[in-house]
Amino acid sequence: AQSVTQLDSQVPVFEEAPVELRCNYSSSVSVYLFWYVQYPNQGLQLLLKYLSGSTLVKGINGFEAEFNKSQTSFHLRKPSVHISDTAEYFCAVSAVRAAGNKLTFGGGTRVLVKP
Amino acid sequence: NAGVTQTPKFQVLKTGQSMTLQCAQDMNHEYMSWYRQDPGMGLRLIHYSVGAGITDQGEVPNGYNVSRSTTEDFPLRLLSAAPSQTSVYFCASRPTSLAGGPGTQYFGPGTRLLVL
Repeated sequence: AQSVTQLDSQVPVFEEAPVELRCNYSSSVSVYLFWYVQYPNQGLQLLLKYLSGSTLVKGINGFEAEFNKSQTSFHLRKPSVHISDTAEYFCAVSAVRAAGNKLTFGGGTRVLVKP
Repeated sequence: NAGVTQTPKFQVLKTGQSMTLQCAQDMNHEYMSWYRQDPGMGLRLIHYSVGAGITDQGEVPNGYNVSRSTTEDFPLRLLSAAPSQTSVYFCASRPTSLAGGPGTQYFGPGTRLLVL
C-alpha cells in the first residue's frame, strides 16, 4: 500500500513570491507521482507527473517538481506566483503495477496568494 | 466533447434515503473511478472500473454500489444515506495506458452531497 503526506495544510504567499509545496510518500514498490490542482468549486486538473527519466518535471502554469527517490519526496515549486494560483494542490502516487493504476492522494495544501 | 459530466451538482438527503449519482464521459475511456473528498483527507477512492462489466472496490467502498453496463456511464448508488456520507464526490476517467505509466485522469466537476 502507498501513503502520501503533504506537510503543510495551508500556505499563504505574497504575489510574485516563490512557493514550495512539500510532498512525501511511502511505498514498498516503485511509484508514479502526480500533482493535481483544484480551483475553487471545480474538479481536479493535472499539473504534472513523474513516470520515469529526468527527476525534474515541468508542468503547466510555470510549476515544476523534483523527484527525490532517496528522500521519497516530490516537492512542487513555482518561482513567482500569481493571484490566479490560489487553489488547493494535491500530491498523489500510483504503484507502477497496481491494478487500474489507482491513485492515492495526500490531504491537500491550500495556497492563498495575497496581493 | 463534454469530458466528464456529473449530475446533480448538489443534493440534500435525509438519513436512510437512497440516491444515484450520475457520471458520464464521452472520451471512450476504459477506466473510471469514484472518489470522495473530505477536508484534510484529500480524495479517497470508493470504487473503480477498468471496463464495461468490471468493477472493484477502492479504499472506502462501504455504503456504496456501482455498476458499469456501458463504457460511457458509471453511476454511484448510495443505498441508505448516512450523515458520514456528507462529502463532495468526484468521478474521474482515463484512457488505458498503452505503454509506460498511467495516462492523465480527467475529473468531473463534482457533486456536493449533504445528508441530514
